[in-house]
Amino acid sequence: AQKITQTQPGMFVQEKEAVTLDCTYDTSDPSYGLFWYKQPSSGEMIFLIYQGSYDQQNATEGRYSLNFQKARKSANLVISASQLGDSAMYFCAMREGRGAGTASKLTFGTGTRLQVTL
Amino acid sequence: DAGITQSPRHKVTETGTPVTLRCHQTENHRYMYWYRQDPGHGLRLIHYSYGVKDTDKGEVSDGYSVSRSKTEDFLLTLESATSSQTSVYFCAISPREPDTQYFGPGTRLTVL
Repeated sequence: AQKITQTQPGMFVQEKEAVTLDCTYDTSDPSYGLFWYKQPSSGEMIFLIYQGSYDQQNATEGRYSLNFQKARKSANLVISASQLGDSAMYFCAMREGRGAGTASKLTFGTGTRLQVTL
Repeated sequence: DAGITQSPRHKVTETGTPVTLRCHQTENHRYMYWYRQDPGHGLRLIHYSYGVKDTDKGEVSDGYSVSRSKTEDFLLTLESATSSQTSVYFCAISPREPDTQYFGPGTRLTVL
């Protein structure tokens, strides 16, 4: 079974509008973390936002917020006031455990390509 | 931005040749990782390091080896490259566990 599922291969949003990118996850570990990364066409991976499984509040970073619904095992990324520069591939990733072993490992979804239009 | 560089940034090689990719960091972070990115698979962990000379396997380690003789450098070696190893390779670093991983710019490797 997929540990991270991103069901939207591609999304379009108009400039200045908000958009939600979906991410569902599967884990039996009570301690985990969820990440979102952005990959523009230039190829680099840019960290956007992090949510810990024990965090009581949804994470926010500027125009990015994470809609964390633990019971539904979803961690959707919300981008408010979209800009042309937001056009990119977006990846959801999960880290399981508190690194009780030698190092944590991230499991990535297959990504959602967001296109912001005028 | 985290100080991470990868070299080379692009490489074309032939099947059966050895290839070494280098990841260099200036952040003095303890943890370093190698991932590969392929269409339809997201990023998958190849190997990681939790200190100098301390490394372990990830999800897709077959055909790859790594070495870390200094904190700042993490080398990924393909002993005998195959076409299935054509991919984009990313290095990542993290200061502690558990923590966010920060990625390098990537290396595009083509094996003919």
